[in-house]
Amino acid sequence: GENVEQHPSTLSVQEGDSAVIKCTYSDSASNYFPWYKQELGKRPQLIIDIRSNVGEKKDQRIAVTLNKTAKHFSLHITETQPEDSAVYFCAASRSFQKLVFGTGTRLLVSP
Amino acid sequence: DTAVSQTPKYLVTQMGNDKSIKCEQNLGHDTMYWYKQDSKKFLKIMFSYNNKELIINETVPNRFSPKSPDKAHLNLHINSLELGDSAVYFCASSPTQVANEQFFGPGTRLTVL
Repeated sequence: GENVEQHPSTLSVQEGDSAVIKCTYSDSASNYFPWYKQELGKRPQLIIDIRSNVGEKKDQRIAVTLNKTAKHFSLHITETQPEDSAVYFCAASRSFQKLVFGTGTRLLVSP
Repeated sequence: DTAVSQTPKYLVTQMGNDKSIKCEQNLGHDTMYWYKQDSKKFLKIMFSYNNKELIINETVPNRFSPKSPDKAHLNLHINSLELGDSAVYFCASSPTQVANEQFFGPGTRLTVL
């Protein structure tokens, strides 16, 4: 079955810096890669997702890149702000199969 | 207008008790899920239903029994609660079984004493 590894587990940056979180997956048939943000005590919420027919997707300050050959994908946050502080989860799945989550990255943005 | 709602938000109970968590979605989605998030924040799927039919059943003790009376509701009943069941349980829904965005409920924090 699918296995998703996520790094780093903790990331501290200064406000305005960029943050990058990386994930690798094991199932070459996976075709959907979402990223979820979970603020303290809240529910996970989708912030961006990418499908296997696309190499990169951007939405304002966040972007996701996918390298199918290497089976890894990354989340990039530019111009970080204190409100970006949260736990971020990557995930991978293929159609009709379960979504497998990474172990999470705790991002702390200091003012 | 809460899209995915769960009750209760907090549940504190003694070992050996039986408890239920209810989930409802008003998004018209076909597929619903139960996830367990442990103290290390790891999110793991437990069950998935599509149009009231069980489609994913992970390696979960049979003390956990999901029930879907209709496609808008997915409840979770837990028998003989154990200390290790303490966690946050999230319900989620998605439009179909095809991989797409999952909408999570607010979570139920279960504490077993």
